[in-house]
Amino acid sequence: DSGVTQTPKHLITATGQRVTLRCSPRSGDLSVYWYQQSLDQGLQFLIQYYNGEERAKGNILERFSAQQFPDLHSELNLSSLELGDSALYFCASSVGVGDAETQYFGPGTRLLVL
Amino acid sequence: SQKIEQNSEALNIQEGKTATLTCNYTNYSPAYLQWYRQDPGRGPVFLLLIRENEKEKRKERLKVTFDTTLKQSLFHITASQPADSATYLCALRHYNNAGNMLTFGGGTRLMVKP
Repeated sequence: DSGVTQTPKHLITATGQRVTLRCSPRSGDLSVYWYQQSLDQGLQFLIQYYNGEERAKGNILERFSAQQFPDLHSELNLSSLELGDSALYFCASSVGVGDAETQYFGPGTRLLVL
Repeated sequence: SQKIEQNSEALNIQEGKTATLTCNYTNYSPAYLQWYRQDPGRGPVFLLLIRENEKEKRKERLKVTFDTTLKQSLFHITASQPADSATYLCALRHYNNAGNMLTFGGGTRLMVKP
């Protein structure tokens, strides 16, 4: 158990809908990362937040947005969902933004768009 | 374009043998490289980190080498056990990356047979 929690574990929805994925980092960690893992694309970095502020951005679609709240939990919002958004979404956390920080991954949310 | 390549074919070895997994990259200047283990349906788990100025790193039965001239990292598991069966991912942090963004390879599945 990494100490990172994600809810829900599974999510089934329809195209065009909007969903929110939630992540609670390990106690004391200020950085939160979101990744998408699909069969054809592998594990792709989406976005990083540090202490409430966006820190780094990957290939995150405009339909996707995220935020980190004052209690450090984070939410990833996916809107206008398409079939291709079906994937495992992982949250990870690390202590800060120091060099070579270890990222601890949560168990993931499996999203299925029908 | 930037690429991180791992052998997409599964590696099958006999228990007790040494497993060697390869990670090749192009058009990156990595500050460091990490190896993760991922079990089916679960989040990646950090194993080892090696910096660009380090040739080799060891942890128990694990050994990682890093050759920035060849642009390659090798990951070895000695005295392999069936419990080592999993997918192993390499990840790079590029010098020009903001934050702690990691770029992952596609992973290699290792199967250790008793």
